[in-house]
Amino acid sequence: DVKVTQSSRYLVKRTGEKVFLECVQDMDHENMFWYRQDPGLGLRLIYFSYDVKMKEKGDIPEGYSVSREKKERFSLILESASTNQTSMYLCASSPTDRDSGNTIYFGEGSWLTVV
Amino acid sequence: RKEVEQDPGPFNVPEGATVAFNCTYSNSASQSFFWYRQDCRKEPKLLMSVYSSGNEDGRFTAQLNRASQYISLLIRDSKLSDSATYLCVVNTYSSASKIIFGSGTRLSIRP
Repeated sequence: DVKVTQSSRYLVKRTGEKVFLECVQDMDHENMFWYRQDPGLGLRLIYFSYDVKMKEKGDIPEGYSVSREKKERFSLILESASTNQTSMYLCASSPTDRDSGNTIYFGEGSWLTVV
Repeated sequence: RKEVEQDPGPFNVPEGATVAFNCTYSNSASQSFFWYRQDCRKEPKLLMSVYSSGNEDGRFTAQLNRASQYISLLIRDSKLSDSATYLCVVNTYSSASKIIFGSGTRLSIRP
């Protein structure tokens, strides 16, 4: 089974703190994604990466950065956390291979509260 | 207009009923389609892929209508455990993987 692991499940951070959310996948997928999900707004793409050291902005990249130094690991960084970044953050991965249909697999989510 | 649209619901149906959801998409170049299920405060999980010819998995049937640009999910003999939010997902295979999620349809099954 595909495994996407988000190491931090529940975090409480103060405004202005730097926050790192780590994600690791074990299926050698090329694509990795960070989403946030808020009530009534659905899933919104923050950043994605289609290869090591490659990244592209999603729909809401402001206030976030990402790092992909190794294929299996994709990190989301909040340089200076703000209260409007309180949310559930979902990491995901998918293969590029069209035969697999680009099925996307999610981690269990990281619940971040910024106070 | 949103790229992928779903009726948000909630759909509140009795156990044993048949319920159907539709999802429309705007990009005619879309090439792969999925239904995901998301339980409260959990991550979305793949329910089923949607194939051109339609496909069935137990009580669940998925259909694709390319001409009208929608996909559907039919649940027969609904169970209490089917209560969840169902997300429609569309992939256009553009230069970088572009996977679009609908905002989800909430389903509640009552005893």
